[in-house]
Amino acid sequence: DAMVIQNPRYQVTQFGKPVTLSCSQTLNHNVMYWYQQKSSQAPKLLFHYYDKDFNNEADTPDNFQSRRPNTSFCFLDIRSPGLGDAAMYLCATSRITGYGYTFGSGTRLTVV
Amino acid sequence: GENVGLHLPTLSVQEGDNSIINCAYSNSASDYFIWYKQESGKGPQFIIDIRSNMDKRQGQRVTVLLNKTVKHLSLQIAATQPGDSAVYFCAERGNQGGKLIFGQGTELSVKP
Repeated sequence: DAMVIQNPRYQVTQFGKPVTLSCSQTLNHNVMYWYQQKSSQAPKLLFHYYDKDFNNEADTPDNFQSRRPNTSFCFLDIRSPGLGDAAMYLCATSRITGYGYTFGSGTRLTVV
Repeated sequence: GENVGLHLPTLSVQEGDNSIINCAYSNSASDYFIWYKQESGKGPQFIIDIRSNMDKRQGQRVTVLLNKTVKHLSLQIAATQPGDSAVYFCAERGNQGGKLIFGQGTELSVKP
C-alpha cells in the first residue's frame, strides 16, 4: 500500500546532540511537510517542500533544518536539541499544497 | 523535561449517543476544512472535509457543518462507538500559501 513511513517511531537523544528524523513516501506526492506536536497540542507546521522548493515557517527556530534529496525522502535535522524540543514529529505529504494530506505515524522524540 | 501541555477540551459520551465536536477557525479567507482523528501514539487520520462553498457534508456516520458567518465548524458523529475515542482536530486551508493550519483538539471519550 502506498504510504508515508517515519523512522524511527521512538528516538531518544541527548541534550545538544544532533539528531535526524526520516520520512519516506511511496505516493509520489509533490509536497512533504514536517509538523511538531507537543503534548495535548495541535500539530504545528515547521516547514514544507514543494518538490525541491523549501518553505520555512516564520517562527520555526533555526535549530530545525530539513533536507529533501529526492521525491521519496525528507529529513528533519535538529542541530542542538533542547529539552523543549521533545515532541511528536509528524511527516505528511500531499499532491498539491493544502489538499489530500497523508500523515505518517510520527516519531516521538525524547531529549535527555 | 517536556513542556507542560495544554489541557484539551474533553467530551464524554455514552456509547450509542451522538457526539458533536466544535471548532472555531481563524481565517475568514480559508477555503477548505478538514476534520482529523488522532489516536494515542498515531498520526492524524482523515475523517471528512468540506469546501467553503458548502455548509454541510455527510459521510458514513459523520457530518460536518460549516458556518462561515461565525467562522465555526462542527463534526457530528452518529451512534458513537468506543473505537471513536480519540482526539479530534479541525484544520483550515488558509490563503497564505494554502497550508493546513490545525485548530485546538477535542478529546472524545466514549463510555461503554
